[in-house]
Amino acid sequence: NAGVTQTPKFQVLKTGQSMTLQCAQDMNHEYMSWYRQDPGMGLRLIHYSVGAGITDQGEVPNGYNVSRSTTEDFPLRLLSAAPSQTSVYFCASSYSGQGKQPQHFGDGTRLSIL
Amino acid sequence: AQTVTQSQPEMSVQEAETVTLSCTYDTSESDYYLFWYKQPPSRQMILVIRQEAYKQQNATENRFSVNFQKAAKSFSLKISDSQLGDAAMYFCAYRIDNAGNMLTFGGGTRLMVKP
Repeated sequence: NAGVTQTPKFQVLKTGQSMTLQCAQDMNHEYMSWYRQDPGMGLRLIHYSVGAGITDQGEVPNGYNVSRSTTEDFPLRLLSAAPSQTSVYFCASSYSGQGKQPQHFGDGTRLSIL
Repeated sequence: AQTVTQSQPEMSVQEAETVTLSCTYDTSESDYYLFWYKQPPSRQMILVIRQEAYKQQNATENRFSVNFQKAAKSFSLKISDSQLGDAAMYFCAYRIDNAGNMLTFGGGTRLMVKP
């Protein structure tokens, strides 16, 4: 099993450009989420999904869009990139919303906005 | 809102010695879960240990153990017989049951291991 796969691993964008960060998991997990990690801080939740067709906002959703058309994929879209969105982005999945279920993280995408 | 605080930005330990990383949290919930994650330079987020709030017994995973004090809302991680491979950022995290996929993280502690 590949687990949680994120692409690309690195990306540089200019202010105002748009792009999509890809996330795929092969564990048939219902729950998926996106976090961002800024220097000196822990991860903060951007958006999450509890199943195909269902998404909701996390702590820092502004400037990001998500959709969940399949169980496997949960892409994150930056609509108009801003320097404040320079960060490392992590996708995570878990079998269910039960607190005890471990979350599986991808390896992250380092995004720089110039 | 729940908050998680790690008051030690950096810690250092001699190889083979024991080190304790601190974590406190604030919540009004009674059922929740606490986690310690390790993030090495490779950037992976690796689950180290998990504690259910309803369990009084402290969780243990090999060289890693926790001291869970529910009344004090404290959740420290003890690493025994420290190894060079333990050097990493360590994040304390909190999650309530059936709250989507939301983990609330502390700011992290960088652990350095001296040979």
